[in-house]
Amino acid sequence: SQQGEEDPQALSIQEGENATMNCSYKTSINNLQWYRQNSGRGLVHLILIRSNEREKHSGRLRVTLDTSKKSSSLLITASRAADTASYFCATDPSGSARQLTFGSGTQLTVLP
Amino acid sequence: GAGVSQSPSNKVTEKGKDVELRCDPISGHTALYWYRQRLGQGLEFLIYFQGNSAPDKSGLPSDRFSAERTGESVSTLTIQRTQQEDSAVYLCASSPYQRRETQYFGPGTRLLVL
Repeated sequence: SQQGEEDPQALSIQEGENATMNCSYKTSINNLQWYRQNSGRGLVHLILIRSNEREKHSGRLRVTLDTSKKSSSLLITASRAADTASYFCATDPSGSARQLTFGSGTQLTVLP
Repeated sequence: GAGVSQSPSNKVTEKGKDVELRCDPISGHTALYWYRQRLGQGLEFLIYFQGNSAPDKSGLPSDRFSAERTGESVSTLTIQRTQQEDSAVYLCASSPYQRRETQYFGPGTRLLVL
């Protein structure tokens, strides 16, 4: 089964609104990452949060991590139409960076 | 600098044929990964190369799948006797040894098996 599961599966919002996506995982992690994918092609790394961090910011992105609940959230503030994409969380359960385990993603649509 | 490149971008093949997919990682990246992504789903790990170490093949779904890597450069993923369920996007990623937590992805090869 997938280590990370995103929620919701799909999200549609108006430009300017905030978008929040959640990720739950099952095993202990070393870090959790969020990636973005446009049109089913290559993924772009957005942000990495380590297991000893609770919150991290990067531009309009804010990521939180709650290791007690095994969950993370990605908040995109003041969304733009260009933010339309699929967003995936990925975990590295072993901490060895041998592989990442991805969830099934949240499809975000930002309407102009 | 140049990112990860993959070829071909798209491949249509007939069931039973063999296909070979190529990945050129970012220069200097010692780690290379292959993933498969079926339509509307997340990525499935296939195989991991790190320098000259033995590859981690634990994600390969069957013995029809194999991959090779020459040193720290090009990698090829070969699927023999393709089946319709092999239709997917095959994504390659690489990462530098010092910061191998973050993976840099190529654009993928979209494979369609008829």
